[in-house]
Amino acid sequence: GEDVEQSLFLSVREGDSSVINCTYTDSSSTYLYWYKQEPGAGLQLLTYIFSNMDMKQDQRLTVLLNKKDKHLSLRIADTQTGDSAIYFCAEWDTGRRALTFGSGTRLQVQP
Amino acid sequence: GAVVSQHPSRVICKSGTSVKIECRSLDFQATTMFWYRQFPKQSLMLMATSNEGSKATYEQGVEKDKFLINHASLTLSTLTVTSAHPEDSSFYICSARGHSENSNQPQHFGDGTRLSIL
Repeated sequence: GEDVEQSLFLSVREGDSSVINCTYTDSSSTYLYWYKQEPGAGLQLLTYIFSNMDMKQDQRLTVLLNKKDKHLSLRIADTQTGDSAIYFCAEWDTGRRALTFGSGTRLQVQP
Repeated sequence: GAVVSQHPSRVICKSGTSVKIECRSLDFQATTMFWYRQFPKQSLMLMATSNEGSKATYEQGVEKDKFLINHASLTLSTLTVTSAHPEDSSFYICSARGHSENSNQPQHFGDGTRLSIL
């Protein structure tokens, strides 16, 4: 089946930029997503990018897509303590017609 | 944005009890709903996908007689954990998606239900 991989942990200082990386295997992916999960809560959709785009920016969030390398990243500018959470990247699995999630990256923001 | 409401948020019950979890799309019609299970510090595992008015499609290894899914309307899906046992304790999250010919309708998630079986 399709596979999505992320690093497990990232620690940054408040005010710095955070970059969370993700790699995927499905070359036919059309949409890739970033979700945020706070403790004990469901997933909040942060942003998504279509596969024919290289970059998408939305306020403090910038998504970069390298389709050739199947690499996706999420950059959070001016990271705040409220950004501490688990971030999941996900690709649309065209076979199962459902999202395939990465393992999640725990972002810890230190004051 | 699109809102998905999931209830209850937490359930504690005795072994052998059946537990029903509801998932509602509040401001859009969800042609497809998804049920996930999440173990501590792990990613989401897709359990099943359901389309309104159709039988659910279960992922390999998920017992359909154990996890009954009903998607009777475009705004409501239910997951019933039948005769629950301690190993069924987990965090269950539902997700809903509107109609799209391609994949550009994102999935929106409920807040999850923490199920604890004693």
